[in-house]
Amino acid sequence: EAQVTQNPRYLITVTGKKLTVTCSQNMNHEYMSWYRQDPGLGLRQIYYSMNVEVTDKGDVPEGYKVSRKEKRNFPLILESPSPNQTSLYFCASSLIPGGGLGNTEAFFGQGTRLTVV
Amino acid sequence: TQLLEQSPQFLSIQEGENLTVYCNSSSVFSSLQWYRQEPGEGPVLLVTVVTGGEVKKLKRLTFQFGDARKDSSLHITAAQPGDTGLYLCAGHGASGTYKYIFGTGTRLKVLA
Repeated sequence: EAQVTQNPRYLITVTGKKLTVTCSQNMNHEYMSWYRQDPGLGLRQIYYSMNVEVTDKGDVPEGYKVSRKEKRNFPLILESPSPNQTSLYFCASSLIPGGGLGNTEAFFGQGTRLTVV
Repeated sequence: TQLLEQSPQFLSIQEGENLTVYCNSSSVFSSLQWYRQEPGEGPVLLVTVVTGGEVKKLKRLTFQFGDARKDSSLHITAAQPGDTGLYLCAGHGASGTYKYIFGTGTRLKVLA
């Protein structure tokens, strides 16, 4: 079954304690990305990756890091979490954009609800 | 920064009514996707529109991409309670950026 798997689903942590949210996809997609979803602000892209070792900032990258050492995995790292990073996070994967094919449907994970106290 | 503005932000209607949701931008998009999101879950794709002026139908849902590929609309005919959810438009811009931009969202509630 084609899927994007995020872990954990729920996480409560304290300010400053480093954490990693994992994301894995089994569709051999080149493009992977992370989003945060906040009430009234919608889904905002944090980072994206076009392929292995190729990452770039989205619209809200501050306070986050990512890595893409393997095609299937794209972890999100919060080196020093702060309360304003409390949010619902989604990982997604898709075929690489461009080429006029329009087949850039994003497949989403189930989400990670993070609370930083 | 490319933006996708959706309207209305909230919509509460009775079962059987028709509605239209709009997705507008000042920028050109190479394609647009429409998603529906249920509480606590990730968005799920409804449709992709690629060609300016394109119209796609998915049962009672009709999607249109503007001629200039700057806007799109979603029309629901005879809404049902099962249509309740958050509707999102999204797309990669045509200006060379590979960011994926989501619209501000329309929260629809259909009352039985």
